[in-house]
Order: sequence, then C-alpha cells, then structure tokens
Amino acid sequence: SAVISQKPSRDICQRGTSLTIQCQVDSQVTMMFWYRQQPGQSLTLIATANQGSEATYESGFVIDKFPISRPNLTFSTLTVSNMSPEDSSIYLCSVVTGESYEQYFGPGTRLTVT
Amino acid sequence: LAKTTQPISMDSYEGQEVNITCSHNNIATNDYITWYQQFPSQGPRFIIQGYKTKVTNEVASLFIPADRKSSTLSLPRVSLSDTAVYYCLVGASGTYKYIFGTGTRLKVLA
Repeated sequence: SAVISQKPSRDICQRGTSLTIQCQVDSQVTMMFWYRQQPGQSLTLIATANQGSEATYESGFVIDKFPISRPNLTFSTLTVSNMSPEDSSIYLCSVVTGESYEQYFGPGTRLTVT
Repeated sequence: LAKTTQPISMDSYEGQEVNITCSHNNIATNDYITWYQQFPSQGPRFIIQGYKTKVTNEVASLFIPADRKSSTLSLPRVSLSDTAVYYCLVGASGTYKYIFGTGTRLKVLA
C-alpha cells in the first residue's frame, strides 16, 4: 500500500493566478497520475507524471495550462496556471505500486477560483 | 481503454445484499476489472480487482462471467456507512491508466 499526502488541502484563488499542488508518497513508486474531479462529477485523468521525463497529457489537457514536475520517485507537483472559475475542482494524485494495477489516491486538493 | 456502463444510482436498505453490475463490452484480453469506492471529500478507495470468475475479499465479491463483458460487485449486508459512489474501471494493463466512468451512487437507507 501507499500513504499519499497533498498540499494544500484547499485554496481559494483569484482568476489569472497560478497554484502549485504537491503530492508526496511515503514510498518510491513507478507511476503517478493527476486527476481532476469537478463538483458532482466523476474523475478525469489529466496526465501521467513520468519520473525523469515529460508528463504525458490526456486529450484536452496541455502542458502550458497544467505543468507537472516529477523530480523523484516519491514526489510530484501539478500547477494550475492562469486560473479561471472553470478550473474550480478537486485535484487528486494517485500512484501505482509494485506489480498490482491497484491505484492509491491522495485526499485531494479542493480549488476554488473566484 | 474500454468504456464502462453502470447504473447512475441505487437505493438499498441496511442489512441487504447489494449487487452493482457494470457493462464493459470492449474489454481487452489483458484488462483487469477494478472497483473503487468514493466518499464525499475523499479520494477513491480500492475495493476489489479481478480478471475472471470470482474474487472475494473481506469487504466484497466480484463476479465476472466467462466472456468478461460485464462484472458484478456484490456488497453483503450493507450498512449506512456504505453510502458512496462506486466506480467500475477496466484497463490498466501496460499503461496502468484508468478511465473513470460515471459511477453508481449507492444510498443505503435505515
């Protein structure tokens, strides 16, 4: 298993600004993912955070808007850039450990853009 | 990645067995079937995962027919605390990526 923490847990931001969300895992993991969950909706995969290389983004998400860093096997950041009210969501990171396809999710970061 | 279809919502009473069925007609040979539970303001939590036939753990059972085009999550004797959204996911082989569907909102009534 894995214990995942995210910072901040929530934030209220002004439109046009940027917020960086941190994801810390208590063990080294190969795969890390970032998701977005809008109010009352399901989770949408933003990107796969690859250690030592550029993140792989899903359709509809671009690096300029959601730059991701993965400096080591236990840490990643997601930045939400030039925010608008439409970016108000919960942002979650998840990890895969070992040989199982089981993903462990962080508690999420609740972002409100005003 | 295979698309999944599951009921939007279900109601049940405490103590009953709940079965949530998921359809995944385009499942690939190497895909696993995984179910997650999500409470409000929390990240999804892994419940159970299987490839074929039946899998059982301490909280649920997963039934997968031979053609693997559907699966059923069975929750024995639900309680109020089982009220949550349940997601059926298919895929992950090779990429470890999951695509979340709409999920099933289970409401357990007293």
